[in-house]
Amino acid sequence: QVQLQESGPGLVKPSETLSLTCSVSGGSISSYFWSWIRQPAGKGLEWLGRIYSTGITNYNPSLKSRITMSLDTSKNQFSLKLSSVTAADTAVYYCARFRSDVNVFDIWGQGTMVSVSS
Amino acid sequence: DVVMTQSPDSLAVSLGERATINCKSSQSISYISNNKNYLAWYQQKPGQSPKLLIYWASTRESGVPDRFSGSGSGTDFTLTINSLQAEDVAVYYCHQYYTIPFTFGPGTKVDIK
Repeated sequence: QVQLQESGPGLVKPSETLSLTCSVSGGSISSYFWSWIRQPAGKGLEWLGRIYSTGITNYNPSLKSRITMSLDTSKNQFSLKLSSVTAADTAVYYCARFRSDVNVFDIWGQGTMVSVSS
Repeated sequence: DVVMTQSPDSLAVSLGERATINCKSSQSISYISNNKNYLAWYQQKPGQSPKLLIYWASTRESGVPDRFSGSGSGTDFTLTINSLQAEDVAVYYCHQYYTIPFTFGPGTKVDIK
């Protein structure tokens, strides 16, 4: 069965770039959308963006100037870069598969905590 | 953006009783062309990632117990948990996938009374 695993630095300095990778195992990255969703401590969920296996992206306009998503089909991975981070970007970051036949996030990673602090 | 609101913020229900969570969208999230409501419900237990429960407002994901049911259309939706079990303690989120950016409700915390 498909599993997702986030990886990346747990601490990023203000104004720097947050970089995370999601590794997909048990299935192919092809023919699906893949998303990043974050959750500040004790708060709700915010969708950041999605990337299709062909490289097509959709981003949340609230982040559009700072976010970049990419994927590496040879490694079955996709990635998130968020530039010019501030303390407001501190959150648990989840990667998730978007199942386009029913348009929902059906598989999630366990999440990785990223703190923005000097 | 489509703003999702939920009520109540939290509720406590006795074991075996019913829990009802309401979700409202700031605009209709139903397509007339296919008669589908672009609304999902997720369950998030402490320390875990969200789990998909229901999509198209009322279709249970495979493996989800049938005590979970969803209803509603247009802008008003409901998640009902019949005969609440101890393992149902969690935060429940509604989510619209009608339009980008996808958005979630603020969550409703369900506890045992």
